[in-house]
Amino acid sequence: NAGVTQTPKFQVLKTGQSMTLQCAQDMNHNSMYWYRQDPGMGLRLIYYSASEGTTDKGEVPNGYNVSRLNKREFSLRLESAAPSQTSVYFCASTSLGNTGELFFGEGSRLTVL
Amino acid sequence: SQQGEEDPQALSIQEGENATMNCSYKTSINNLQWYRQNSGRGLVHLILIRSNEREKHSGRLRVTLDTSKKSSSLLITASRAADTASYFCATDTGAGSYQLTFGKGTKLSVIP
Repeated sequence: NAGVTQTPKFQVLKTGQSMTLQCAQDMNHNSMYWYRQDPGMGLRLIYYSASEGTTDKGEVPNGYNVSRLNKREFSLRLESAAPSQTSVYFCASTSLGNTGELFFGEGSRLTVL
Repeated sequence: SQQGEEDPQALSIQEGENATMNCSYKTSINNLQWYRQNSGRGLVHLILIRSNEREKHSGRLRVTLDTSKKSSSLLITASRAADTASYFCATDTGAGSYQLTFGKGTKLSVIP
């Protein structure tokens, strides 16, 4: 099984450009999440989707939008990228039937110049 | 805001030694989890301990939880070079939808 797949793995943007990070999971999980990881800051939750058709803000949602396209896919969009959004982005998923452990993708490293 | 805080920030030990990492948190929790992250990779779940448990084992891992002190520790016994990674604690406060709050991590280096 592929688990959680993120694309792209690397991306360089100029300030003001837009882009979408894609995430797909093949584990039939209900809930999906987007985190960002910055040096010395740990992981911070941007947005999450508890189930298909719902999305909610996390700790740091400003400057981002999300779409839960279907049960498998959860995308993160930067409408107008800023240097402060330079980070590594992780998608994760879990099932309500699980004990709450998250399954993570390998990350997308984004640099905004 | 960060719920969990790991201590130390970095730890360097010789292969074969034990490694202990600590995590403190601020609010009541449903469970506490530990994750591992190899350099440049995603996080991998190691172990979960519920709020009504005090100790849990998994292979060379031992986790303790003291809810009165709002703290947890992760012990890796007989460390190997392959254990070199960053370790994060994450707390589930029961707010719903399994929203985990992560600490900043402990970077463990195991020297062969």
